[in-house]
Amino acid sequence: NAGVTQTPKFRVLKTGQSMTLLCAQDMNHEYMYWYRQDPGMGLRLIHYSVGEGTTAKGEVPDGYNVSRLKKQNFLLGLESAAPSQTSVYFCASSPPGVASTYEQYFGPGTRLTVT
Amino acid sequence: KQEVTQIPAALSVPEGENLVLNCSFTDSAIYNLQWFRQDPGKGLTSLLLIQSSQREQTSGRLNASLDKSSGRSTLYIAASQPGDSATYLCAVKDAGKSTFGDGTTLTVKP
Repeated sequence: NAGVTQTPKFRVLKTGQSMTLLCAQDMNHEYMYWYRQDPGMGLRLIHYSVGEGTTAKGEVPDGYNVSRLKKQNFLLGLESAAPSQTSVYFCASSPPGVASTYEQYFGPGTRLTVT
Repeated sequence: KQEVTQIPAALSVPEGENLVLNCSFTDSAIYNLQWFRQDPGKGLTSLLLIQSSQREQTSGRLNASLDKSSGRSTLYIAASQPGDSATYLCAVKDAGKSTFGDGTTLTVKP
């Protein structure tokens, strides 16, 4: 049971380049999330998904797109990277059930630098 | 808009001390509150989850309390050890999403 995994761990992009971050979970969780973590700003939700084939915008969705074609995978895409997207990106998942019991499980993060 | 504040931002204690980390939130209409630990360069590890109907949760040397009406939670760490050194974050979940605090960075000196 690997939990939540993220690929890649590190990446350096030039402004304008595109890339896709992959998140995978093997816990059969319905809900998946993408966050970014920046110094002094905490973790902010980018997009999330409540099930296969569904996605929704979070707090800071601009410049990102997501897809959830399979239940176990949640992809985060940057179409045209900007220096403001330099950050550490975390994926998380949580099981279904009563909302009060939602416990989030996090991946190890992807450190992205845009030059 | 929910806002979560953690005080202090940093804390340094000698090994063996008991300590309390604080988390406050502005909107009491929450589903749960979760405490996490984050080691440098790593992801978040869940420590404790307190449901809105609960007052506290315990795991080993950790005890987390929740006072929804006052918008406060505390994480109590007993008999601190150097291995407890990390950043501790709290997150509150409401109908919209989870909102995270900026964390308290704890250093336990041998």
